[in-house]
Amino acid sequence: GENVEQHPSTLSVQEGDSAVIKCTYSDSASNYFPWYKQELGKRPQLIIDIRSNVGEKKDQRIAVTLNKTAKHFSLHITETQPEDSAVYFCAASRNQFYFGTGTSLTVIP
Amino acid sequence: SQTIHQWPATLVQPVGSPLSLECTVEGTSNPNLYWYRQAAGRGLQLLFYSVGIGQISSEVPQNLSASRPQDRQFILSSKKLLLSDSGFYLCAWSVQGNHGYTFGSGTRLTVV
Repeated sequence: GENVEQHPSTLSVQEGDSAVIKCTYSDSASNYFPWYKQELGKRPQLIIDIRSNVGEKKDQRIAVTLNKTAKHFSLHITETQPEDSAVYFCAASRNQFYFGTGTSLTVIP
Repeated sequence: SQTIHQWPATLVQPVGSPLSLECTVEGTSNPNLYWYRQAAGRGLQLLFYSVGIGQISSEVPQNLSASRPQDRQFILSSKKLLLSDSGFYLCAWSVQGNHGYTFGSGTRLTVV
């Protein structure tokens, strides 16, 4: 099955700085890569996704890049704000999703 | 619009007792349904998924089972809970094909 690795497990940045979270996957047949944000005690919420026929996608302060050859994809958050503090999960999917282990992001005011 | 309901929100059960968590989806037909478990401070582990009534796939061997008696109902069960079954259980659905999940609000299970 698919194996998704996510780094770092924890990340602290100053407000206004950028944050980058990286994931790798093992199954070259995976073709859909969503990112979820989970605030404490709440359900994960989809924030951005990318399909395998696209190399980069941007939505305001959030962007995701995909390198199919290297089988890795990354989440980039620019101009971070305290409300960006949460746990972020990447996932790789061909049919069902396989999630990374999560990154706990803390934005320091 | 589509909505997903999951209950109960919290549950405290003694070791050895049975478990039944229910998830229902409204506003869509023939969804893919999923059960995930999230241990404290850990990632999301896929437990079961279903592409149709009576069709259940298990990802990992465990003390749990799942059933899909109706198109939009997904049930997670156990005959005898273990301490290690404690965690945050999330139901999710997606349309057929490869699209984003929508998660339920979760059930925090504590086995004592």
